[in-house]
Amino acid sequence: DAGITQSPRYKITETGRQVTLMCHQTWSHSYMFWYRQDLGHGLRLIYYSAAADITDKGEVPDGYVVSRSKTENFPLTLESATRSQTSVYFCASSDSPLAGGKYTQYFGPGTRLTVL
Amino acid sequence: DAKTTQPPSMDCAEGRAANLPCNHSTISGNEYVYWYRQIHSQGPQYIIHGLKNNETNEMASLIITEDRKSSTLILPHATLRDTAVYYCIVRVLNDYKLSFGAGTTVTVRA
Repeated sequence: DAGITQSPRYKITETGRQVTLMCHQTWSHSYMFWYRQDLGHGLRLIYYSAAADITDKGEVPDGYVVSRSKTENFPLTLESATRSQTSVYFCASSDSPLAGGKYTQYFGPGTRLTVL
Repeated sequence: DAKTTQPPSMDCAEGRAANLPCNHSTISGNEYVYWYRQIHSQGPQYIIHGLKNNETNEMASLIITEDRKSSTLILPHATLRDTAVYYCIVRVLNDYKLSFGAGTTVTVRA
């Protein structure tokens, strides 16, 4: 019962290659999120999904593609990786924000991506 | 347009209470105060949240002033494992957004 997992945990790739980061959650949460964290910028939202087959852009979506065919999975793809996408990527999940006062996002352990 | 202000860093002694302040002077009536922490190289971890009443759970206590313009997160007996960056976040009711600022780097010293 891992909750929310990310794979791989570490990835080194080269400029121009396609990379997919995986996120899996076992809570049946409707919402899922991808953030990136860089020194000096804190956590920034890349994309989010409110349900299967529903995705929307966050603050920094350029260069990334997401899909959500199943509720439990939310992969993030860098179609042509650039050095500026070197970062730590965190996936998160939550119930609907309409849950009112009980709303909480739960984060995965992160994927450290290096683009050479 | 930062909604919260936190000191950049603070130290506390192991075994003592750690009191982390947060200013949110422009908070609205439908906004909650959330606290997360991030231990080095890990994902952010939810600690506690509240609207206007004080809250307590197994990790911490949250004290919100009567005018709701500031709050304090209290770690009752800090341990070395509590060394982390602590984020105070204001979240609008029914909105998914959690905006993480720079947080407070808390170092617990033996």
